[in-house]
Amino acid sequence: GIQVEQSPPDLILQEGANSTLRCNFSDSVNNLQWFHQNPWGQLINLFYIPSGTKQNGRLSATTVATERYSLLYISSSQTTDSGVYFCAALSGNTPLVFGKGTRLSVIA
Amino acid sequence: SAVISQKPSRDICQRGTSLTIQCQVDSQVTMMFWYRQQPGQSLTLIATANQGSEATYESGFVIDKFPISRPNLTFSTLTVSNMSPEDSSIYLCSVGGAHEQYFGPGTRLTVT
Repeated sequence: GIQVEQSPPDLILQEGANSTLRCNFSDSVNNLQWFHQNPWGQLINLFYIPSGTKQNGRLSATTVATERYSLLYISSSQTTDSGVYFCAALSGNTPLVFGKGTRLSVIA
Repeated sequence: SAVISQKPSRDICQRGTSLTIQCQVDSQVTMMFWYRQQPGQSLTLIATANQGSEATYESGFVIDKFPISRPNLTFSTLTVSNMSPEDSSIYLCSVGGAHEQYFGPGTRLTVT
């Protein structure tokens, strides 16, 4: 099945800094999603982005399907951005497969 | 998007007992899924809950341990049977399919 790898595994930022999280996947995808899991465990949909670029406030994402990677950009980070960011991909009829996540800590 | 609720939100159970988790969706959906997230780990798919037929389990998960019901297109239950401390996890219900998938708030289970 499809493999999903995320980097970096951990990231510590000063409030106000920018960051880029990467997701590599091993096969062509029907679905590529980014999620944020807050410290209370809730999984929040950030982007559904099998290809192209999307922006939502301080967050944006780009997926280059032909090169099998996706990037999540966080600008002007805030302490509320802390948590774990997951990338998940679906290929063909396989179920959604999650990467191991990037744990982000934003320090005031 | 779908609105998904789960009950209970958390529970502490004794080893050897069973817990049934409920998942309710605000609209009819074809595909429902159950995931497990062990402490500090990523999400792993347990099974796909099929309406009107048996669930489809992923490798490493069996029906005797995680029986699933799907009586209609808006509701499903997952039972964690004969629990051990290793079953302490967050269990999440999800809906979707070939496109965007949505997740419930999760059930945080602690087994003592």
